[in-house]
Amino acid sequence: GEDVEQSLFLSVREGDSSVINCTYTDSSSTYLYWYKQEPGAGLQLLTYIFSNMDMKQDQRLTVLLNKKDKHLSLRIADTQTGDSAIYFCAEGDYGGATNKLIFGTGTLLAVQP
Amino acid sequence: EAGVTQFPSHSVIEKGQTVTLRCDPISGHDNLYWYRRVMGKEIKFLLHFVKESKQDESGMPNNRFLAERTGGTYSTLKVQPAELEDSGVYFCASSQDRPIYEQYFGPGTRLTVT
Repeated sequence: GEDVEQSLFLSVREGDSSVINCTYTDSSSTYLYWYKQEPGAGLQLLTYIFSNMDMKQDQRLTVLLNKKDKHLSLRIADTQTGDSAIYFCAEGDYGGATNKLIFGTGTLLAVQP
Repeated sequence: EAGVTQFPSHSVIEKGQTVTLRCDPISGHDNLYWYRRVMGKEIKFLLHFVKESKQDESGMPNNRFLAERTGGTYSTLKVQPAELEDSGVYFCASSQDRPIYEQYFGPGTRLTVT
């Protein structure tokens, strides 16, 4: 079945790089996403990658996709205290009749000053 | 441009009561989705509207949940009667037809059933 797994917690120091990992099971996924949820706020679409890509870079964010191992990672360079949030990995399949996203449980990123 | 809005932000009701959640998608977005996160678990898909039609309602947990999108604009999600296990955060998202894969989420409605 469809399943997305993430580690629950990551703690880093301000200025360091953060790497949040995710594994998924649905090989038909066409898009893979990272959403960010700050305390008391909704889900913010951070970035996404099409399944035929290996890497996508957007300013401090780097997404790496290993389709063979079904592994997705989000690297945040020069992590700031404002990056403290829950990060959700999600997969989406837009080839069929449904456009739903399958989410992981989220990784809480705590940035220590 | 206004984002996805949801009302109320928080609702506390007793078991057996009825609650109606509302979602206003981004203007012009034909696709509207409902998701929920229960007890700190993963966010799970409930259903997907294309305009006023239900495209996929495979995630609706049971017939106590009724979603509508009359006129293809805002949507409501009614829970009747509410049970304790319905507590959680209900998210709404919307997307255009192109690109359909960019789903934008609202702030969520936190539902507490006591």
